[in-house]
Amino acid sequence: DAKTTQPNSMESNEEEPVHLPCNHSTISGTDYIHWYRQLPSQGPEYVIHGLTSNVNNRMASLAIAEDRKSSTLILHRATLRDAAVYYCILRDYNQGGKLIFGQGTELSVKP
Amino acid sequence: GAVVSQHPSWVICKSGTSVKIECRSLDFQATTMFWYRQFPKQSLMLMATSNEGSKATYEQGVEKDKFLINHASLTLSTLTVTSAHPEDSSFYICSAPSASEIDTQYFGPGTRLTVL
Repeated sequence: DAKTTQPNSMESNEEEPVHLPCNHSTISGTDYIHWYRQLPSQGPEYVIHGLTSNVNNRMASLAIAEDRKSSTLILHRATLRDAAVYYCILRDYNQGGKLIFGQGTELSVKP
Repeated sequence: GAVVSQHPSWVICKSGTSVKIECRSLDFQATTMFWYRQFPKQSLMLMATSNEGSKATYEQGVEKDKFLINHASLTLSTLTVTSAHPEDSSFYICSAPSASEIDTQYFGPGTRLTVL
């Protein structure tokens, strides 16, 4: 499985934008970039995903580098409820769509 | 959105006993479900893929005779931890791909297993 590299932790101030980076230099052409987040003592929840183009939804934006070797999850205005571990995952649809989690980035949000 | 439930949310058992954890897709059908295990301060580790009507597919290093998976219906998968030992204490999480949003997986809230 292609691997991702994320910073172990990041800090943000409430109501400020947050940019969470992810490196995936060995990404293949069939890999989609998925982001999930996990709040303490809960199961992960889907955030966003994309292939080549930047994506926006109600939760976040995903900016994908032109060479697809990196991506950035953007939370436009962080709230205290956004404090979580954010996982960047490459999903190979040729392997049944299973998700292999890396270590993720623990985001803390200061009031 | 789609909901996945797990039961129980937590369980404490004695060493040597077996524990069954249920994973249900509440408002959609799931021919495939996934089981993960998560130790404190660590990431999720995929254990197995549960397939409705057929045998589960286990990841390398996961003992299939210890972690029995049954996917008897399109909305229910069960994970049985047999002869549990303290090192099996962990947070067990299941997930199911959404039928309508094919690129999305929905995760259960997790089951905290403590083996004394």
